[in-house]
Amino acid sequence: LAKTTQPISMDSYEGQEVNITCSHNNIATNDYITWYQQFPSQGPRFIIQGYKTKVTNEVASLFIPADRKSSTLSLPRVSLSDTAVYYCLAGPLSSGGSYIPTFGRGTSLIVHP
Amino acid sequence: SAVISQKPSRDICQRGTSLTIQCQVDSQVTMMFWYRQQPGQSLTLIATANQGSEATYESGFVIDKFPISRPNLTFSTLTVSNMSPEDSSIYLCSVGDRKNTGELFFGEGSRLTVL
Repeated sequence: LAKTTQPISMDSYEGQEVNITCSHNNIATNDYITWYQQFPSQGPRFIIQGYKTKVTNEVASLFIPADRKSSTLSLPRVSLSDTAVYYCLAGPLSSGGSYIPTFGRGTSLIVHP
Repeated sequence: SAVISQKPSRDICQRGTSLTIQCQVDSQVTMMFWYRQQPGQSLTLIATANQGSEATYESGFVIDKFPISRPNLTFSTLTVSNMSPEDSSIYLCSVGDRKNTGELFFGEGSRLTVL
């Protein structure tokens, strides 16, 4: 399971685009990158997942360069409700066997008015 | 997707007592995970609970302190035994997606305060 490193905190303002980068230098060939969002007093919630290049959904975009040693979560035009902790995980898809979902410290994003 | 219900959502406990947290899933799942999240911290995996076998504990967590049951594919319990104030935390139950997409689903958590 690849260890991930993220900035501890970030600040932004409403309407701005926010990019959170995650480093996973020892990512394995069969590892995917998954991002979660956690609000206070709630469990984490899946945002987006990708393997390489770019993935986009209604919430965010995920950019993964060719070497896959890092990834960037992009949140377009953030609002106050995007204030949360964002976690990056790198691991295989199967939730059975040896896959142990391990959370790093996460990035605390604060969006200001 | 999976919907997870945890009970209790919160509790205040006395030092030296034990509390059992229940986790109910709306579908059958192979593996369930129990996490602890201390105030202002990230999630720390306590153990992986497999149906029909002993739970697998992570370093720093032992069965005597955190016994886990997994009687079927939709239910699990985590007991926090002989509690101390250091056990005050949020305990989260999580399951993996049945289609093995790697997505994890979480309950709302059980916030325990030990006095």
